[in-house]
Amino acid sequence: SQTIHQWPATLVQPVGSPLSLECTVEGTSNPNLYWYRQAAGRGLQLLFYSIGIDQISSEVPQNLSASRPQDRQFILSSKKLLLSDSGFYLCACNTGLEQFFGPGTRLTVL
Amino acid sequence: AQTVTQSQPEMSVQEAETVTLSCTYDTSENNYYLFWYKQPPSRQMILVIRQEAYKQQNATENRFSVNFQKAAKSFSLKISDSQLGDTAMYFCAFKAGGTSYGKLTFGQGTILTVHP
Repeated sequence: SQTIHQWPATLVQPVGSPLSLECTVEGTSNPNLYWYRQAAGRGLQLLFYSIGIDQISSEVPQNLSASRPQDRQFILSSKKLLLSDSGFYLCACNTGLEQFFGPGTRLTVL
Repeated sequence: AQTVTQSQPEMSVQEAETVTLSCTYDTSENNYYLFWYKQPPSRQMILVIRQEAYKQQNATENRFSVNFQKAAKSFSLKISDSQLGDTAMYFCAFKAGGTSYGKLTFGQGTILTVHP
């Protein structure tokens, strides 16, 4: 079965600073990968998804970008963080019919 | 586009009792999948149960079962014999079949508290 790693687990960053969140997947190959954001403990919003290396689709316009340099690596980035980027970021991958999630990164922008 | 609505922001139940969480969705798709996820205080998303739209039989996983009403676009989760460890936020999610790339659309969640 697949395992999803995310780091860091917690991050506090000042407004205007850059961001890099990393997600790696073990136990599966050529997965579809996803970045979600959960604000204020409520619903999850899909930010990006990827069906292969260097193939990224954005679901909502925003201050963030994503990259997939390797098959099982998915990176979420920003050049300059905004206060509104605070939230809980979850990486996920598809295995067959089901989607599994990593442990998440809690980002606080001050 | 699909929408998923969970109309109960919070629910509570006594230990060993039964509780039902509601979910409705809107879609023009005929081939799709529905899921319930649990997010305990650790915030790890855990898949609870899955329902394929083409299956008439309601899915069951131990104490968890669903009532899938396709015509009404309703997908409720029943938790029997509630346990303290069931305390969590529960999310209903929709996935279209075909070339949707597996993207999930989530409801806003229901916070369930199980009282001793």
